[in-house]
Amino acid sequence: AQKITQTQPGMFVQEKEAVTLDCTYDTSDQSYGLFWYKQPSSGEMIFLIYQGSYDEQNATEGRYSLNFQKARKSANLVISASQLGDSAMYFCAMREGAEYGNKLVFGAGTILRVKS
Amino acid sequence: DGGITQSPKYLFRKEGQNVTLSCEQNLNHDAMYWYRQDPGQGLRLIYYSQIVNDFQKGDIAEGYSVSREKKESFPLTVTSAQKNPTAFYLCASSIGGATQYFGPGTRLLVL
Repeated sequence: AQKITQTQPGMFVQEKEAVTLDCTYDTSDQSYGLFWYKQPSSGEMIFLIYQGSYDEQNATEGRYSLNFQKARKSANLVISASQLGDSAMYFCAMREGAEYGNKLVFGAGTILRVKS
Repeated sequence: DGGITQSPKYLFRKEGQNVTLSCEQNLNHDAMYWYRQDPGQGLRLIYYSQIVNDFQKGDIAEGYSVSREKKESFPLTVTSAQKNPTAFYLCASSIGGATQYFGPGTRLLVL
């Protein structure tokens, strides 16, 4: 079974600094997708960034970048220039194949708190 | 604006009662999903539907039922067979296997 591991239950970062949230995954598939979502206290899941298993370049979206190391099966999220509004829960997820309905398998999440 | 709506925001269920959570999308997405989130945990898949009039069980389908009569709508019924229904329920949609976008969620509480 595919699995996502987020080893950091909580993280603190000083405003304007960069922070890395860890994610490792386990799969025997060659084709897969990795996602990061942000969940603020309101509860809505906000899509941040996507990395395909065949993408050679690391994905970037504004202040978010994904440090994809395929051999190590890691997909860490890097947030640069942290802002107070970045305080939220962050989830790493992996998409299973079409035969499994393209469902997402989620990690347990990391709570990020940005300090002023 | 295109998006996913869920209603109600809060729902209270009495013992032995069935309740239905609404999920509507106007993104023209084919696939829709229902996830459950318990406090301090990630999301787990309840049911999913890739096309109209077809749906499949996810990892924790027991005590739940769904229908997909229209492309835009994917309601979830929490039946009396679900013994621990208190959770946050999130609906999502996507075009095939592309990025899933989520609605604002429904919090279900048992009286």
